[in-house]
Amino acid sequence: GESVGLHLPTLSVQEGDNSIINCAYSNSASDYFIWYKQESGKGPQFIIDIRSNMDKRQGQRVTVLLNKTVKHLSLQIAATQPGDSAVYFCAENSGGSNYKLTFGKGTLLTVNP
Amino acid sequence: DAEITQSPRHKITETGRQVTLACHQTWNHNNMFWYRQDLGHGLRLIHYSYGVHDTNKGEVSDGYSVSRSNTEDLPLTLESAASSQTSVYFCASSPDFLGGYTFGSGTRLTVV
Repeated sequence: GESVGLHLPTLSVQEGDNSIINCAYSNSASDYFIWYKQESGKGPQFIIDIRSNMDKRQGQRVTVLLNKTVKHLSLQIAATQPGDSAVYFCAENSGGSNYKLTFGKGTLLTVNP
Repeated sequence: DAEITQSPRHKITETGRQVTLACHQTWNHNNMFWYRQDLGHGLRLIHYSYGVHDTNKGEVSDGYSVSRSNTEDLPLTLESAASSQTSVYFCASSPDFLGGYTFGSGTRLTVV
């Protein structure tokens, strides 16, 4: 069936470095993608989103890249801070009047001081 | 401020008992969702609702039911709790456009 997955289950970086978290999706009908951050004991929090008519979108210290050719999504975090330590999920939506999201399994990002 | 709240935060119940998890949102969102989160599976959709009196099954709906009698609430009921339903449950709501998805803080349910 269709699924959203992640290449790396864990990622460890040094404080100040840039982080890149990857996600592969298989549903070619998906036209909206979101990255969520989940801290321990909390619900997922919206970070940034992107529609399929875009290749790149930037937020504060975060950038999402979408490569529709290879069905790949990435989240780049600049100057990673200890507060960025969390599990990061990508999610996809296939559009229309469907508001459901399909989530990947998550990547644990650990930032070392 | 608008919010989405889940209760209880933690629950321990026995196998075979009926359990209801509450979800209440003050965003006035039409759409509400229940997910369960398990290690290795990420977030999986249990049930969802696009408005009052509307309910739909998600990918892991067996053993669960929901009802939507008003805009604010979507309670999740486990008819006869099983150990396989031990999980963390998240409720979410969204308006009628993408990008407004908001999650509650979760309920950790243990079935013994």
